[in-house]
Amino acid sequence: DSGVTQTPKHLITATGQRVTLRCSPRSGDLSVYWYQQSLDQGLQFLIQYYNGEERAKGNILERFSAQQFPDLHSELNLSSLELGDSALYFCASSVGQGGNSPLHFGNGTRLTVT
Amino acid sequence: GDSVTQMEGPVTLSEEAFLTINCTYTATGYPSLFWYVQYPGEGLQLLLKATKADDKGSNKGFEATYRKETTSFHLEKGSVQVSDSAVYFCALRRIQGAQKLVFGQGTRLTINP
Repeated sequence: DSGVTQTPKHLITATGQRVTLRCSPRSGDLSVYWYQQSLDQGLQFLIQYYNGEERAKGNILERFSAQQFPDLHSELNLSSLELGDSALYFCASSVGQGGNSPLHFGNGTRLTVT
Repeated sequence: GDSVTQMEGPVTLSEEAFLTINCTYTATGYPSLFWYVQYPGEGLQLLLKATKADDKGSNKGFEATYRKETTSFHLEKGSVQVSDSAVYFCALRRIQGAQKLVFGQGTRLTINP
């Protein structure tokens, strides 16, 4: 058990809809990262937060947004969903921002857009 | 930009065979290097890491050595088990600047009894 909790585990929704994925980092971790895993694109970095502030942005679509709350949990909002957004979305956390500390991953949320 | 290249899978071996999964990287400076493993239906688990040149990471019989001269971090195990069947990801992370993990494409490993 990594200590990172993601909910829900599965999500099935229709095109055009909006969903929210939630992540609780490991106790004491201040950084939260979101990744998208799809068959054709592999693991793609979306966005990073550190102690409530956005710190890095990757290949995140404008239809997607995220935030980290004062209690350090994070939410990833996906709107105007398309079939191609179907993927596994992972949250990860780490103690700080330094490159030596590893990321600890949750078990992911599997999103299916029909 | 930073990138990681892994040997293409899938890789299929018999139990007790020797395993090597190749990984090379391109990055500015000297990143930290990681191997993650993903079992079916689960998230990624850290397998091992190395933070500087010539460091050897090891865990559960797996080893990888940080080779700066060849920009490589190959994963090895002397005798694989059926339970090692999973997808393995090589990754790098810069010490400074953007600290995201950059992943390779993953290598699916299947071990037959």
